[in-house]
Amino acid sequence: QKEVEQNSGPLSVPEGAIASLNCTYSDRVSQSFFWYRQYSGKSPELIMSIYSNGDKEDGRFTAQLNKASQYVSLLIRDSQPSDSATYLCALWSGNTGKLIFGQGTTLQVKP
Amino acid sequence: NAGVMQNPRHLVRRRGQEARLRCSPMKGHSHVYWYRQLPEEGLKFMVYLQKENIIDESGMPKERFSAEFPKEGPSILRIQQVVRGDSAAYFCASSPETGGAGETQYFGPGTRLLVL
Repeated sequence: QKEVEQNSGPLSVPEGAIASLNCTYSDRVSQSFFWYRQYSGKSPELIMSIYSNGDKEDGRFTAQLNKASQYVSLLIRDSQPSDSATYLCALWSGNTGKLIFGQGTTLQVKP
Repeated sequence: NAGVMQNPRHLVRRRGQEARLRCSPMKGHSHVYWYRQLPEEGLKFMVYLQKENIIDESGMPKERFSAEFPKEGPSILRIQQVVRGDSAAYFCASSPETGGAGETQYFGPGTRLLVL
């Protein structure tokens, strides 16, 4: 079983809709979770970090964490074509310095 | 307020040559991480360094790859005798001095290595 799993997509949503991106993980001791956005040919850009169960909102983005079910999600409200990118879920388990990334979900927002 | 800097941005090498990738962390950051992204694949951790120390190199290939972060100057990822399978994007990330490994990691623009 992969440590961090994401549906590779593509996930296609119309402009203005809510995009829902999901991520599951296997390491129960994971403490810190991150969502990065990566445009094609570019570097990962941090969108959100979340450490506690529940929701965390930042503008059009909401991260949700459920440690009991071992999943973390990212909601993008009022999706824009500029949101079209690959979204990477990452976790830090606390035993090492490394981030463990999922394969990423490709989001396409159609005008 | 400069972010993480990497150079070169693009590097072309022939098989058997050496590749040297450089990374300067953000100001105030003393933790440096290297990741590799193969074409159509996710980011894979390679190594975690602090000044003059390798903290975790569990993701580094056993041969040909080495990394350092000297007291002065940038972190260097060195690949000796490159092979075509080394062609990838290599990203450096850094995190603040205070928080350690659990802090947010900020990524540089990457070095795209092409081995001919």
